[in-house]
Amino acid sequence: DAKTTQPNSMESNEEEPVHLPCNHSTISGTDYIHWYRQLPSQGPEYVIHGLTSNVNNRMASLAIAEDRKSSTLILHRATLRDAAVYYCILRDVGGMNRDDKIIFGKGTRLHILP
Amino acid sequence: GAGVSQSPSNKVTEKGKDVELRCDPISGHTALYWYRQSLGQGLEFLIYFQGNSAPDKSGLPSDRFSAERTGGSVSTLTIQRTQQEDSAVYLCASSLYAVQTGSQRGYGYTFGSGTRLTVV
Repeated sequence: DAKTTQPNSMESNEEEPVHLPCNHSTISGTDYIHWYRQLPSQGPEYVIHGLTSNVNNRMASLAIAEDRKSSTLILHRATLRDAAVYYCILRDVGGMNRDDKIIFGKGTRLHILP
Repeated sequence: GAGVSQSPSNKVTEKGKDVELRCDPISGHTALYWYRQSLGQGLEFLIYFQGNSAPDKSGLPSDRFSAERTGGSVSTLTIQRTQQEDSAVYLCASSLYAVQTGSQRGYGYTFGSGTRLTVV
């Protein structure tokens, strides 16, 4: 089973910020929180990942709760091109020699309204 | 290469035939993963490789499915005696491990565009 839970779908207006939540109450100390998105008819693409501190890159920001049991992906200004399924997963920072079987949940389908 | 390459991009096969799906990971990526995605569904984990070893094969749906990886690079997913329920997009992803570079931040996955398999 996936170690994360996300809402099935969300809607947002174009050019407004979007906050996509993810719960991961069983996160371990060495798990990084990763976000991916899948545009229609494409493979998933990496968005962002982080451990404890909030992270920013050109695509999005990641806000991580102090207890790390939840996180929020923030798209600062949604465009129609951001309509996709967003997946939140946990991955151990070590990877090699550890269990690296990553189960994706169903993700959140984000609809952008023009 | 610059990205993860999968071939063929599309494959139509007759029920009962064997198929081979190929994944070329990014050069140097030790970790390689196979997922399956049926129409309108989420990603179903199949198998992953650390180098040439597959620590966990429990995600393979049946003994008709097998995968191998040679030289720590190219991987092949083979489906024998295909069935209609095997129709799906098969996705491959690769990644570095933090231990390979000493990075404390770890690495994300890079996915290929997938192979769309249709069994008729």
